[in-house]
Amino acid sequence: GENVEQHPSTLSVQEGDSAVIKCTYSDSASNYFPWYKQELGKGPQLIIDIRSNVGEKKDQRIAVTLNKTAKHFSLHITETQPEDSAVYFCAASGGTGGFKTIFGAGTRLFVKA
Amino acid sequence: DSGVTQTPKHLITATGQRVTLRCSPRSGDLSVYWYQQSLDQGLQFLIQYYNGEERAKGNILERFSAQQFPDLHSELNLSSLELGDSALYFCASSVEGGPQHFGDGTRLSIL
Repeated sequence: GENVEQHPSTLSVQEGDSAVIKCTYSDSASNYFPWYKQELGKGPQLIIDIRSNVGEKKDQRIAVTLNKTAKHFSLHITETQPEDSAVYFCAASGGTGGFKTIFGAGTRLFVKA
Repeated sequence: DSGVTQTPKHLITATGQRVTLRCSPRSGDLSVYWYQQSLDQGLQFLIQYYNGEERAKGNILERFSAQQFPDLHSELNLSSLELGDSALYFCASSVEGGPQHFGDGTRLSIL
């Protein structure tokens, strides 16, 4: 079945450094890839998304890249701040599973001040 | 604020009982999704409704059921509860083809 693998499961960086989280999806027909940030006690919040007709998208300190051939996509956070500390989830949808969204297992990001 | 409202925020009950979780989607969103998140785990997709009709199903147990009403709010019913059903249950909503917007969840504790 469809699967999304996410790495690393935990990431610790110093404030001001960059953080990169990588995901691999199995369904080559997937065409929409959102990223969510989940803070303690809250629901996941969409932070950026990319569609399969685009290779890269940026929004201030956050960027996402997509390699359709390799079925990889990555989240890049530059100039990290303590408030970036949270759990980040990647997801893939629109493939042969139709409207199902498959989430990665999550990455717990710690930004040390 | 995502615009998705889930009630109740917390629910404590016993094994064997039945509970109903409620979700009000964002204004204009026709799709509603339900997810289960166990402690330190990822999001497990349960089921999706679109404008009152079931559209996609994930690993939803037979003891669980859901429905979406004409006013587009949705309810997730969990019956014959077991200790392992303790989790956060999230609802999300979206326009068709758009990103999902999540509520803040219902924390279900089974004693």
